[in-house]
Amino acid sequence: SQQGEEDPQALSIQEGENATMNCSYKTSINNLQWYRQNSGRGLVHLILIRSNEREKHSGRLRVTLDTSKKSSSLLITASRAADTASYFCATDARTGNQFYFGTGTSLTVIP
Amino acid sequence: DAGVIQSPRHEVTEMGQEVTLRCKLISGHNSLFWYRQTMMRGLELLIYFNNNVPIDDSGMPEDRFSAKMPNASFSTLKIQPSEPRDSAVYFCASSSASDRGLFEAFFGQGTRLTVV
Repeated sequence: SQQGEEDPQALSIQEGENATMNCSYKTSINNLQWYRQNSGRGLVHLILIRSNEREKHSGRLRVTLDTSKKSSSLLITASRAADTASYFCATDARTGNQFYFGTGTSLTVIP
Repeated sequence: DAGVIQSPRHEVTEMGQEVTLRCKLISGHNSLFWYRQTMMRGLELLIYFNNNVPIDDSGMPEDRFSAKMPNASFSTLKIQPSEPRDSAVYFCASSSASDRGLFEAFFGQGTRLTVV
């Protein structure tokens, strides 16, 4: 990808379990954002974490950021079948203000 | 606001034809992005506009691709002539840029382009 990589590429869990996805990126950033994409739809913004923040919560979502390792993680707690989607991290590069997306993690939550 | 609106939603065209994809931004946003999504290459940033000015078009694959932003609320992506390998879903997204970086991006529903 142009900027980062998510892992795993695919994740399958049972409903109620937690799902963790990781993102690595390459350059200095202003912020990092996570997006969700349902099949055949556009991406929807989930959460934004700034480069001077280390952790952020929003509902069942928890995001961490380690700028020294150029990595982030997204944790979805108590997963639901409706969480089934692809999840992407996007970095706002410090130079140039572009959004670059990672390769995405395909999450399947089995009811 | 109705969000970012893309048209058409689906386009099927023959190789060699000109294709024009359209995008209406969210009012007040000053940043516009065009992306292409395929299974093989994921989400690729094609071009980025800020305040109607193209800032980075390094992702535009070839001279066959061109993008314009004639005003603050509208953009077009043109492919001329189209080729089968251009088949993909094309997304536009708008955002606001500040001195602290970009705010969240709002995506359109995409245009699924098939070139036969």
